[in-house]
Amino acid sequence: TQLLEQSPQFLSIQEGENLTVYCNSSSVFSSLQWYRQEPGEGPVLLVTVVTGGEVKKLKRLTFQFGDARKDSSLHITAAQPGDTGLYLCAGARNQGGKLIFGQGTELSVKP
Amino acid sequence: ETGVTQTPRHLVMGMTNKKSLKCEQHLGHNAMYWYKQSAKKPLELMFVYNFKEQTENNSVPSRFSPECPNSSHLFLHLHTLQPEDSALYLCASSHAGASYEQYFGPGTRLTVT
Repeated sequence: TQLLEQSPQFLSIQEGENLTVYCNSSSVFSSLQWYRQEPGEGPVLLVTVVTGGEVKKLKRLTFQFGDARKDSSLHITAAQPGDTGLYLCAGARNQGGKLIFGQGTELSVKP
Repeated sequence: ETGVTQTPRHLVMGMTNKKSLKCEQHLGHNAMYWYKQSAKKPLELMFVYNFKEQTENNSVPSRFSPECPNSSHLFLHLHTLQPEDSALYLCASSHAGASYEQYFGPGTRLTVT
């Protein structure tokens, strides 16, 4: 059973376009994390959201946690080739609990 | 060194070999994790250590044997692996009470021939 579903699984866009990646679940999470992983490297933590409805911005990246804490989205404005990578969402049921990962969204931004 | 380091970065081994993966964290954390990342599949949690004690073994075959001598070091001993064990093995660390914020190493790309 896949507890965290990410969509789309693959996304190929041109530089300058906007995009949104979704992370959905039927379960409630106490927190949700977004990571970016480049080829040959480990995932790098981008953001943690903990409050329902919370919105966090990291330069051109906007992260939102759903009101019911079951889903999240990542929006990238004016994508650049440097944004290329695998984006992973991960949720924790409680502070000491293990992380549950989505299957990832592979983003390719072409110049 | 900063963050989480892993060695070796790449490893090719035969099914009869014995090898070990090493992870070291320089973040002052007290929880460490081993994950397996295979193509097209979510990260699979293998083992969790809190304050050097194993707190989770996610039904991992006994050909994988973890060792955590202290809060900064984690090893994964490998023996008689199968080709389907080929994957990227990732180590992560966190504060024990904040496992939701994990910091990953660069991984070891393992190929079993």
